[in-house]
Amino acid sequence: EAGVVQSPRYKIIEKKQPVAFWCNPISGHNTLYWYRQNLGQGPELLIRYENEEAVDDSQLPKDRFSAERLKGVDSTLKIQPAELGDSAVYLCASRSNYEQYFGPGTRLTVT
Amino acid sequence: GQSLEQPSEVTAVEGAIVQINCTYQTSGFYGLSWYQQHDGGAPTFLSYNALDGLEETGRFSSFLSRSDSYGYLLLQELQMKDSASYFCAVKIHNTDKLIFGTGTRLQVFP
Repeated sequence: EAGVVQSPRYKIIEKKQPVAFWCNPISGHNTLYWYRQNLGQGPELLIRYENEEAVDDSQLPKDRFSAERLKGVDSTLKIQPAELGDSAVYLCASRSNYEQYFGPGTRLTVT
Repeated sequence: GQSLEQPSEVTAVEGAIVQINCTYQTSGFYGLSWYQQHDGGAPTFLSYNALDGLEETGRFSSFLSRSDSYGYLLLQELQMKDSASYFCAVKIHNTDKLIFGTGTRLQVFP
């Protein structure tokens, strides 16, 4: 069984530029999460999807962040415009029962 | 608010036993999970406790006391490959939401 796939693995951009991350969850997993993980910290939830519906986006900075999961499978997280403080690892996860399966993440560096 | 506390760092030698504690203050507590994350890697699931008591999975065990808002991860027969960060995470009732602690960095020395 393939795991959660994310791309790109690394991204370096200048501040004020847009950036997008892509995630393909494990087949059959209806729940998808986007997390942000700062260095030395635990993952923090940005948004959670049940199929194509965003059921918890309370921690998503909506002025610059957006996400979509149009067909209830893969998902895209976008930042526009990026700020220096957005530098972090962006993790995608999908769920089976009480276990979340994480992708390898995208390490974003904003200069 | 929601908060979880873990020690920031723990060191031990190969073959030893180490316990990583986690205390939490959350509303809507449903269960406690543990995840392992190697540097540059993805968090991977280790265990989940919804009821009080000890759950054992090979060299790793996890304990929960709901009345004390406390849990721990016990790692036995430590190996060098166990060097990683370990996160406790609270599952919130009636949601699929996890709130992660700040993590404990375990360093295993030969």
